[in-house]
Amino acid sequence: NAGVTQTPKFQVLKTGQSMTLQCAQDMNHNSMYWYRQDPGMGLRLIYYSASEGTTDKGEVPNGYNVSRLNKREFSLRLESAAPSQTSVYFCASSEVGRGTGELFFGEGSRLTVL
Amino acid sequence: QKEVEQNSGPLSVPEGAIASLNCTYSDRGSQSFFWYRQYSGKSPELIMFIYSNGDKEDGRFTAQLNKASQYVSLLIRDSQPSDSATYLCAVNRNSGGYQKVTFGIGTKLQVIP
Repeated sequence: NAGVTQTPKFQVLKTGQSMTLQCAQDMNHNSMYWYRQDPGMGLRLIYYSASEGTTDKGEVPNGYNVSRLNKREFSLRLESAAPSQTSVYFCASSEVGRGTGELFFGEGSRLTVL
Repeated sequence: QKEVEQNSGPLSVPEGAIASLNCTYSDRGSQSFFWYRQYSGKSPELIMFIYSNGDKEDGRFTAQLNKASQYVSLLIRDSQPSDSATYLCAVNRNSGGYQKVTFGIGTKLQVIP
């Protein structure tokens, strides 16, 4: 049972380069999320998608774009990477209105921008 | 004021003792409350959730909620070295089909053998 799968797990970029983080879930969840985690800052929401076809900004959206490709997949794109985007990125999914409201996380993607 | 406040620690307890982790939140509309455990280099995993005032027990873990005081706590009885991790408090508010989940910075727990 894969749950939430993120790729890549590690990436090093130079300032100004672009990249896309991929996320897929196999739990048939409606809602998907992208968080970043930095020391002393905790998990902060970048973007979320409440359902297929919708996306909205979270707490720290600047410098990022997202695409909800279908119900399973939710990608995060950095168009022009900056050192401030060095972080660990987590994708998560949940089912609103049913169950516990638990967030299921992927393994994380560690991004370094030089 | 942060929406969810936690002491970052580290909180050090001897093996076998009770570890007490605390969290306060500012949004009185928060509906559900979670404790996630995160081992170093790993992703968060849910260990407890609570919706109603009072205590909820699951094995060695007890979550406590006091909505009037806007306070959530996690007690870990008979602490083991394997409990050494960062514990994230999270509060949730459903808003138009979206779960607004806000996390605290986490408390690092060290269980000393």
